[in-house]
Parts: sequence; C-alpha cells; structure tokens
Amino acid sequence: AQSVTQPDIHITVSEGASLELRCNYSYGATPYLFWYVQSPGQGLQLLLKYFSGDTLVQGIKGFEAEFKRSQSSFNLRKPSVHWSDAAEYFCAVNTGFQKLVFGTGTRLLVSP
Amino acid sequence: EAGVTQFPSHSVIEKGQTVTLRCDPISGHDNLYWYRRVMGKEIKFLLHFVKESKQDESGMPNNRFLAERTGGTYSTLKVQPAELEDSGVYFCASSHSSGNTIYFGEGSWLTVV
Repeated sequence: AQSVTQPDIHITVSEGASLELRCNYSYGATPYLFWYVQSPGQGLQLLLKYFSGDTLVQGIKGFEAEFKRSQSSFNLRKPSVHWSDAAEYFCAVNTGFQKLVFGTGTRLLVSP
Repeated sequence: EAGVTQFPSHSVIEKGQTVTLRCDPISGHDNLYWYRRVMGKEIKFLLHFVKESKQDESGMPNNRFLAERTGGTYSTLKVQPAELEDSGVYFCASSHSSGNTIYFGEGSWLTVV
C-alpha cells in the first residue's frame, strides 16, 4: 500500500536559518508528489508539486523540493525561514487514482 | 477565479445531532473530493466524485456519513447522527478532469460535544 512518512513531528528553526523537512514515500511506480502547508486557522495551500522532469522543483514562498528516486524521498527546503512560515507542512503522494495519501505532517516553529 | 469554498467554516453540535457541510468546487472542475483530519492525525481521504457520480467512497468511515453531489456542481457531506470522534477538520478539494493537482478549500472545522 502507498504510504508517506514524515519523520519529524515538530521542528524549531531560528528566523533566517535554513530549513529542510523530510518526506519519504512508498509507492511502486513513479509518484506524483506534493507539499501542502496549513497555516493556523487556514486551509491547505499547495506549495509545490513534482510530476516528472527536473527533480528539483520550485514552489511558492521561496520553497523548493528535490525528488530522489533512489532514496524514495521528496524533501522540502527553504534557504532562509521567515516567522510567517510557522505552520504545519504535509507531504502527499497521488497514487494515480486521483487520491492523495498524506503524511502525518510536520509542525514548524520559528524562533526569533 | 474563486477557489474551493466550504460552508460552514466552523460548527459546534451536540452528540446525536446532524450536520451538513457544503462544498463548492472550482468552476469547471469535474473531480470533487472530501478529506478529513481528526484528532491531530493525518489527513485521510473520504471519497471522490466525478461529476455527480461517486468514483471512490472507500474512505467513508461508516453509514452515518452521506455525501451527495446533485447535478455535478456543489457537494454536501452529512453526518447523522454525529459522534464525538467525528470532530475534526473536513476538507473539500477539487481538480480538473485531466489534472493531477488537487486544490483544497479552507476546511470546515467540526466540534461534536
């Protein structure tokens, strides 16, 4: 069965520091991969997606993610975190049947 | 272009009562989905409509949940009777018929007391 693992439940990063959120997936074929963000009291916003091609994808708000097939990973990165980035981040895989499987989420805290 | 809209944004009901959540997908999107996140757990798929037809309802937890999409436009998700464990956030989402990108609404936050 398809699954997504986000091993870090909480991460605290200082404002201005770099960020990497980990995501590993389990899926037999080439997956469609997504990162969504949920800010406090808000809905799910699509940050970026990977379907094929260049394995480094750029998203909104200065985020990027790199697909590594050999590691079954799709880690999210940002070079310099802003206080407004504090939110919960979800990695998800579309199994090709128009159904998303989500990870458990990583809550990002940004310290001054 | 309007995004996926959901109503109500928040609802507090007593155990045993009925709640109906509404979702308006992005205009032109044939695919409509319901997901939910309960008790801080992962977001889980409930069901998928293609136009007015249920394509996949494998995630519906039990027969207290009824989803409809009459006319292939907006959808409703009814919980009757509501139980405490139904508390959580119910997300609606939609996608184009030829697209693999799914866009979510702001969610309907349900609290059953």
